[in-house]
Amino acid sequence: DIQMTQSPSSLSASVGDRVTITCRASQSIDNYLNWYQQRPGEAPNLLIYGASSLQSGVPSRFSGSGSGTDFALTISSLQPGDFATYYCQQSYSTYPTFGGGTRVDLK
Amino acid sequence: QVQLQESGPGLVKPSQTLSLTCTVSGGSISSGSYYWSWIRQPAGKGLEWIGRIYGTGSTKYNPSLKSRITISVDTSRNQFSLRLSSVTAADTAVYYCATTVCINGICSIDYWGQGALVTVSS
Repeated sequence: DIQMTQSPSSLSASVGDRVTITCRASQSIDNYLNWYQQRPGEAPNLLIYGASSLQSGVPSRFSGSGSGTDFALTISSLQPGDFATYYCQQSYSTYPTFGGGTRVDLK
Repeated sequence: QVQLQESGPGLVKPSQTLSLTCTVSGGSISSGSYYWSWIRQPAGKGLEWIGRIYGTGSTKYNPSLKSRITISVDTSRNQFSLRLSSVTAADTAVYYCATTVCINGICSIDYWGQGALVTVSS
């Protein structure tokens, strides 16, 4: 199995803050890395695929970077609807695995 | 846009079989554009990929669940289904059906159902 480790597991931030979440894979996964946002009570929503490609309809304040084993999701200016949990997911293996999640809440 | 809706019993007894169906609208399950996936999430915890099926019927399963899982497709009803046998309390979770799209080898889970809570309890 490819293990995905996210950090931090939670963070507190204010509207307008720049936020960065990191994700590390247990082996190289090239750029086969996706990011999802999950608001409470809702299904996850794809934000970024292929490490850095923005999914259609997702605001440009979201960006992804990285390759190999180390990746990051950055929100350039946190908005009220961005308080949620974020998950990375590798699709390098035919058995996809998710990170443990990063919860972003209001400071 | 593809829409998905899970259905099935919300309560299953231990040792019995969990059965869920996902009804697809806005796209054909046999179109070849998507893989059809199941993912679950225990309350307050992270996401676990269960498995997926292609419209042709080929499947991939989570190795840790493989002995207990069957995913099948019914093209006539535009549905796909999950069966998970010998359930225990550890299988209590929200179960999502979803579509996986692969472009140039990069696969992502693009559309999700709203989720179905299944509780395993006697």
